[in-house]
Amino acid sequence: EVQLLESGGGLVQPGGSLRLSCAASGFTFSSYAMSWVRQAPGKGLEWVSAISGSGGSTYYADSVKGRFTISRDNSKNTLYLQMNSLRAEDTAVYYCAKAYYDILTGYYSYYYYMDVWGKGTTVTVSS
Amino acid sequence: QSALTQPASVSGSPGQSITISCTGTSSDVGGYNYVSWYQQHPGKAPKLMIYDVSNRPSGVSNRFSGSKSGNTASLTISGLQAEDEADYYCSSYTSSSTLVFGTGTKVTVL
Repeated sequence: EVQLLESGGGLVQPGGSLRLSCAASGFTFSSYAMSWVRQAPGKGLEWVSAISGSGGSTYYADSVKGRFTISRDNSKNTLYLQMNSLRAEDTAVYYCAKAYYDILTGYYSYYYYMDVWGKGTTVTVSS
Repeated sequence: QSALTQPASVSGSPGQSITISCTGTSSDVGGYNYVSWYQQHPGKAPKLMIYDVSNRPSGVSNRFSGSKSGNTASLTISGLQAEDEADYYCSSYTSSSTLVFGTGTKVTVL
């Protein structure tokens, strides 16, 4: 079974740092782009960042560029999000998600679509 | 990058059809066919319902269909069922190589 399990969330003061992890299982992790998507309390989804399967290409939303860094360790089947200079508006549930792949057609979406999501980890930025 | 614009809420009776719009710009929805729709039930992770504007992943009911005209994409749910009550988000690839989600629409089954 394909599974994603986020960890590393918690309470942090404004200006502080946090590193989120996402442990993947049940699929060939290195073959898939991965993304982080967040959802502030009672709000909508916001795409945060994505990374290619090899880790050689990364993409960021303007709201986190220069503060967050996405990375992956394919030997450990783990995705990371290093978050620095945290602000109150970064408070959210952070989901990791796997790029969509259709086993019947062989269609692979790169990071444009996400077909498996974790349950999320909560980040609260507050003094 | 501003969020794509969706109506806050849409409602319908069981068996009816409803349509949710998603309006962007020529730099996102209008410029690419990388438009998708996600369903999210309360407290749950999102589920991919439509990709490439109008394609359904395996296992998604054919009651869900997508389309696009200009800068506006649409999701239609036909034969509305109680289990369709959820939040729905559109998403699009953008000219900045980023993704942008819509503001979200709460679907209520009357």
